[in-house]
Amino acid sequence: EAGVAQSPRYKIIEKRQSVAFWCNPISGHATLYWYQQILGQGPKLLIQFQNNGVVDDSQLPKDRFSAERLKGVDSTLKIQPAKLEDSAVYLCASSIIAGGLGYNEQFFGPGTRLTVL
Amino acid sequence: DAKTTQPPSMDCAEGRAANLPCNHSTISGNEYVYWYRQIHSQGPQYIIHGLKNNETNEMASLIITEDRKSSTLILPHATLRDTAVYYCIVRGDFGNEKLTFGTGTRLTIIP
Repeated sequence: EAGVAQSPRYKIIEKRQSVAFWCNPISGHATLYWYQQILGQGPKLLIQFQNNGVVDDSQLPKDRFSAERLKGVDSTLKIQPAKLEDSAVYLCASSIIAGGLGYNEQFFGPGTRLTVL
Repeated sequence: DAKTTQPPSMDCAEGRAANLPCNHSTISGNEYVYWYRQIHSQGPQYIIHGLKNNETNEMASLIITEDRKSSTLILPHATLRDTAVYYCIVRGDFGNEKLTFGTGTRLTIIP
């Protein structure tokens, strides 16, 4: 079974530039998540989609971050304009459904490491 | 905010059992304990989860105390490939399924 795919794996940009990350979840997974992981910290949820609808975006800095999941499959996360503090690994994860009777394993991709100079 | 407390780091000799503790004293009745691990430069990987009974799978065992305020993840025969950051997460159900990661325990397996 193919895992969660992300691209690019690495990106270096200067502050105030724009950047976009792409995620292809596991086939059939209705729920997709984007996390931000700053060095030395655990991942922090930015946004959660159920199919192509947003379930939770409470921690997404909406003045500069945006995400979409057209057709309920692939997703893109964009940062415009980037700040130095956006340097982090951006992880995409997917799961079959959200919730359910306790079991909801999230499968993570390898992440995109963003460096903002 | 993470609802769990874990030691920042631990060492374990290769071939021995690694016992990783986690305190979750404010856990409520419908919340599950999940464990994930993150090997360097990879995304987190699910290990095991439980509600109140002890659980075992091919990767690990999860021991939850009777009052559910703490748990222990056991890797029975640690190998060098088990070196990773281990996250203990309390997760709700139906409408509160978000995984909130803390800083985890960095487990180093010593040859």
